[in-house]
Amino acid sequence: GAVVSQHPSWVICKSGTSVKIECRSLDFQATTMFWYRQFPKQSLMLMATSNEGSKATYEQGVEKDKFLINHASLTLSTLTVTSAHPEDSSFYICSARSPGHNQPQHFGDGTRLSIL
Amino acid sequence: AQRVTQPEKLLSVFKGAPVELKCNYSYSGSPELFWYVQYSRQRLQLLLRHISRESIKGFTADLNKGETSFHLKKPFAQEEDSAMYYCALRGNGNTPLVFGKGTRLSVIA
Repeated sequence: GAVVSQHPSWVICKSGTSVKIECRSLDFQATTMFWYRQFPKQSLMLMATSNEGSKATYEQGVEKDKFLINHASLTLSTLTVTSAHPEDSSFYICSARSPGHNQPQHFGDGTRLSIL
Repeated sequence: AQRVTQPEKLLSVFKGAPVELKCNYSYSGSPELFWYVQYSRQRLQLLLRHISRESIKGFTADLNKGETSFHLKKPFAQEEDSAMYYCALRGNGNTPLVFGKGTRLSVIA
């Protein structure tokens, strides 16, 4: 089955640093990947849609300059949290959709980001 | 606008009892509806989708367009069903999933 790999699984860093999270589709090509954020005991909130070879589409209220998304290839999308602050601490989950019509989204394991 | 509502945050049932996890949606077109499950310390997994009309792990869900609902049901709950369940909607085209807030199912022995 389709597998989405996310790395790292857990990051702890100081306030002001930038953190990069990778999302890879291991056995399929994904022209579109999605980045979600999940606060404790809450649902997944879509942050942005990452399109291979073009700019990401951000949801309302999500800062483009804060959350940089790069989708350089059909199997890799990255999310960089720039100048991270404690309020950016959260669980970030990427998702990719298998190619073809009516295909489901597959999810990575998520990355827990803790900013001190 | 797309919206998914799961009215119950927590649902506790005894083993062997029937389970129904409620999901209502709001969408102007013809959506695709999904149920995802997240077991403890595991990733989100697709449980079932309305277009497949299949039963996975004993769970079924029927899309009721009149009531705009997609409730998840299982006749006899098992302890291993304890997990977080998310109802999700996808609109037309290559649009992303929109999730409900989730319902935590706890099956008591």
